[in-house]
Amino acid sequence: NAGVTQTPKFRVLKTGQSMTLLCAQDMNHEYMYWYRQDPGMGLRLIHYSVGEGTTAKGEVPDGYNVSRLKKQNFLLGLESAAPSQTSVYFCASSPTQTGQGLNQPQHFGDGTRLSIL
Amino acid sequence: AQKITQTQPGMFVQEKEAVTLDCTYDTSDPSYGLFWYKQPSSGEMIFLIYQGSYDQQNATEGRYSLNFQKARKSANLVISASQLGDSAMYFCAMREVYIQGAQKLVFGQGTRLTINP
Repeated sequence: NAGVTQTPKFRVLKTGQSMTLLCAQDMNHEYMYWYRQDPGMGLRLIHYSVGEGTTAKGEVPDGYNVSRLKKQNFLLGLESAAPSQTSVYFCASSPTQTGQGLNQPQHFGDGTRLSIL
Repeated sequence: AQKITQTQPGMFVQEKEAVTLDCTYDTSDPSYGLFWYKQPSSGEMIFLIYQGSYDQQNATEGRYSLNFQKARKSANLVISASQLGDSAMYFCAMREVYIQGAQKLVFGQGTRLTINP
């Protein structure tokens, strides 16, 4: 039962570098999400996807891009990393959100700890 | 805009005692859902319990129960017979439905619970 898998688990970047965080889920979930968690602020939604080939902006999308080329994968990209993007990043997925599906929780990966120097 | 407030940054409880973690919310949407997640020191987000705004009874899941007081807009988590393994960060989150049914979660700032032996 892999669930939601995030790679890498840790990464250190220099300002201006780029990188991609990978999220993979094996639960056949339609919806996928990227959050960031900063100290004392809980989790905030960056981008989300309601299905293969679709993406949309969340609460804090600036400086990030995403892609969902395959249903099971959701990629988060940083084109030019900035120190303000130092955070822990969580990917989550959930099944179709209709009817009783509204009470289904999001399933989270273990997080990626990213430091930008 | 929806908002979640967790007023207890930290709590210390003796093992085997019951503990209540506070969560108040603010929304004008008559249909909403409230989730509680546990985040141990290892970092993963673990779903604990869910309460829908139209649910007639308070949710329960094993040692976890939700004291849902709709008029007061509160959804407190109650952990009975606390165990050392309950030491963790606890987040209250409210579901907001985006377009196409995607489930945005708005998180509180969390409460760090420490269980003393």
